[in-house]
Amino acid sequence: NAGVTQTPKFQVLKTGQSMTLQCAQDMNHNSMYWYRQDPGMGLRLIYYSASEGTTDKGEVPNGYNVSRLNKREFSLRLESAAPSQTSVYFCASSEGGGRSTDTQYFGPGTRLTVL
Amino acid sequence: GIQVEQSPPDLILQEGANSTLRCNFSDSVNNLQWFHQNPWGQLINLFYIPSGTKQNGRLSATTVATERYSLLYISSSQTTDSGVYFCAEVIMDSNYQLIWGAGTKLIIKP
Repeated sequence: NAGVTQTPKFQVLKTGQSMTLQCAQDMNHNSMYWYRQDPGMGLRLIYYSASEGTTDKGEVPNGYNVSRLNKREFSLRLESAAPSQTSVYFCASSEGGGRSTDTQYFGPGTRLTVL
Repeated sequence: GIQVEQSPPDLILQEGANSTLRCNFSDSVNNLQWFHQNPWGQLINLFYIPSGTKQNGRLSATTVATERYSLLYISSSQTTDSGVYFCAEVIMDSNYQLIWGAGTKLIIKP
């Protein structure tokens, strides 16, 4: 099992450009998440998908859109990149179901720089 | 909202030393988790521990829910323990949103 995979690993954009970050999991998990991590900080939730067909905003959703393409895949789109979106982006998945014991498994991250 | 504070922010130790990392919460503990982020950025879940004590090899964690804190103990540190340790707590009215502390950066010197 590959677990959670993310593409690309690195990306440099110019202000105003758009791009989509891809995430896939092979653990048959119901829930998927997108986080951003800024230097010296913990992770902040951008969007999550509790189950296939549903998406909800997290703590910092502005400037992003998501698509839960199917149970395996959850993509994050930046429509018009801004320097403030320079960050490391992590995708995660979990079994879900609203259980308090739910454990999240993380991808390797995408390091995005917006010039 | 829930506030999660970790201390110390940085810790430098020699290989073989023991360490204690602390996590304080502003609200009731529902789903407390500890994570390790290695120097290459990979995040690994270490413990789910809303209360009590758990051990996994050289690592153990204790959460005192009534006093709203959790401790992560690392014994006989190895250089591979280096990285950033995060604690995170779930919001009571949302089973999906984890609130993360800023982390403790641990450097183990050979």
